[in-house]
Amino acid sequence: AQTVTQSQPEMSVQEAETVTLSCTYDTSESDYYLFWYKQPPSRQMILVIRQEAYKQQNATENRFSVNFQKAAKSFSLKISDSQLGDAAMYFCAYPGGETSGSRLTFGEGTQLTVNP
Amino acid sequence: DTGVSQNPRHKITKRGQNVTFRCDPISEHNRLYWYRQTLGQGPEFLTYFQNEAQLEKSRLLSDRFSAERPKGSFSTLEIQRTEQGDSAMYLCASSSDLQFKNIQYFGAGTRLSVL
Repeated sequence: AQTVTQSQPEMSVQEAETVTLSCTYDTSESDYYLFWYKQPPSRQMILVIRQEAYKQQNATENRFSVNFQKAAKSFSLKISDSQLGDAAMYFCAYPGGETSGSRLTFGEGTQLTVNP
Repeated sequence: DTGVSQNPRHKITKRGQNVTFRCDPISEHNRLYWYRQTLGQGPEFLTYFQNEAQLEKSRLLSDRFSAERPKGSFSTLEIQRTEQGDSAMYLCASSSDLQFKNIQYFGAGTRLSVL
């Protein structure tokens, strides 16, 4: 069974600074995807960034980038130039294979606080 | 298209009552998922539909839970004889297997409080 672990329940960062959120996962598959989702307070979950395991290049979306280490099964999220609107709960997620309908397995989440 | 819609946003009920939630997915999304999220935790998978067929149910989905997706459009999740342990946020997501790797788009959720 796939597992996803986020070992940082809470993180804080100063506005305009950089923060890295950690995620490790376990899978026996060789080709897969990984996602980071953001859940602001009382608002819906939105996709921040995705990584395809067969791509060696780390994904980047504006101020968000990942450090994907396939051998170590590590998938961290880096937020550069942090903004107040980045404050949210962040979840790392692994979609199962087609036999499981690509259902998502989430980590426990990291609550990010951005200090002005 | 306004995204995944869930109703109601909040539901307060007494223990033992039945409740039903509705999810309207993004139009033309053929897959629909239900997750449950308790405070401070990540969502946990409950069940998913491909079109109108319910293809998988988690062991979290006890006999008191039932989900339907008639005609492959909206879906309902019913909880019978609610218990205090059912208090949680129920999230719905939809995706299309014709689009990039089934990225799931989430609704805002229905928060259930069982008194």
